[in-house]
Amino acid sequence: NAGVTQTPKFRILKIGQSMTLQCTQDMNHNYMYWYRQDPGMGLKLIYYSVGAGITDKGEVPNGYNVSRSTTEDFPLRLELAAPSQTSVYFCASSSKGQGNTEAFFGQGTRLTVV
Amino acid sequence: GNSVTQMEGPVTLSEEAFLTINCTYTATGYPSLFWYVQYPGEGLQLLLKATKADDKGSNKGFEATYRKETTSFHLEKGSVQVSDSAVYFCALRTDTGRRALTFGSGTRLQVQP
Repeated sequence: NAGVTQTPKFRILKIGQSMTLQCTQDMNHNYMYWYRQDPGMGLKLIYYSVGAGITDKGEVPNGYNVSRSTTEDFPLRLELAAPSQTSVYFCASSSKGQGNTEAFFGQGTRLTVV
Repeated sequence: GNSVTQMEGPVTLSEEAFLTINCTYTATGYPSLFWYVQYPGEGLQLLLKATKADDKGSNKGFEATYRKETTSFHLEKGSVQVSDSAVYFCALRTDTGRRALTFGSGTRLQVQP
């Protein structure tokens, strides 16, 4: 079972560069999420999706974009990287169930912007 | 809005000591409550959950009881091991809207032999 797969695991970007963080899940989950984790902080929601073709902003969406063309994939795009985007990024997914359904997380992408 | 507050870390214990990590929450409606664990270099894994008041979640010797009257979900373990060293996150999730998890800031646990 692959679960939630994120790539890359590590990346260093220069200020102003762009990149896409990839996320794919093989559990046929409707809900997918992107979080960022800053040192000593909990996870903050960047964007989420409730199904293919539907996305919406979370708590900290500025500087990011997402798309959801398929159920499996939910890439996160950084257009103009800034040092404030240095963080660990986690993708997660869950089924279309009640609030008590488990969310499954990827291994994370550690991004450094210099 | 929803929020989760958990005790600051790091928490340093000797092996076989008793563990408590406090967690309180604020939420509209009736959230489900979770504890996630993050081992070094890994993603988050669900440790346990509770979906309604007075439910007790348990797994791997860890327990937490959903206390609606005190809006708390404290994590406990009777005898910690070195392998329990990790960061523990309390979180809640509601049935409405985005259904995303709202996390506490995490508590790092270090267990010494």
